[in-house]
Amino acid sequence: RKEVEQDPGPFNVPEGATVAFNCTYSNSASQSFFWYRQDCRKEPKLLMSVYSSGNEDGRFTAQLNRASQYISLLIRDSKLSDSATYLCVVKTNAGKSTFGDGTTLTVKP
Amino acid sequence: GAVVSQHPSWVICKSGTSVKIECRSLDFQATTMFWYRQFPKQSLMLMATSNEGSKATYEQGVEKDKFLINHASLTLSTLTVTSAHPEDSSFYICSARFRGPVYNYGYTFGSGTRLTVV
Repeated sequence: RKEVEQDPGPFNVPEGATVAFNCTYSNSASQSFFWYRQDCRKEPKLLMSVYSSGNEDGRFTAQLNRASQYISLLIRDSKLSDSATYLCVVKTNAGKSTFGDGTTLTVKP
Repeated sequence: GAVVSQHPSWVICKSGTSVKIECRSLDFQATTMFWYRQFPKQSLMLMATSNEGSKATYEQGVEKDKFLINHASLTLSTLTVTSAHPEDSSFYICSARFRGPVYNYGYTFGSGTRLTVV
């Protein structure tokens, strides 16, 4: 079993749709959680950190469930520009990052 | 702020040659640098972690004699792929950890290097 597992995708949604991604992790010692966005042939870019209380940034909402060891990302009112691969990242206190395989989102007109 | 400059962006080399990839932190001190490799349609896989002034820690399955990492200063880390082979063709990317408060650290990526070995 992988340390970090994501919904396999791909997700193909129309503009304006709401889409949610889940990510589960197996290391209970994980301390920090992030969602990154990666466009084709580019480096990943931090989308948002995930806090225990949940956090929102515009159309994006991230949640953490430590008991069930999963994090989620919700995108509301999808835009064409949201099309990308979304990577779930889990870090230990030592700073070691483990990436999920990513979920590909395609938003269509 | 917190920009990491990685170069070259892409490189094509002949089998058997060595390639050096540089990551330079432009406006902060990178105490820790992480090197990743990403094959097509796969996620980033951590290769090694380097701390300034000490030897890199390699992940299981990564040959340290083949992938030489040098982190001699707080602003520069290099990855040298020695005696490259076609199977080493991949997207290599570095990620630097900021030096800052415990609860406010962050990580920033270089722009990546696409290596093609022919």
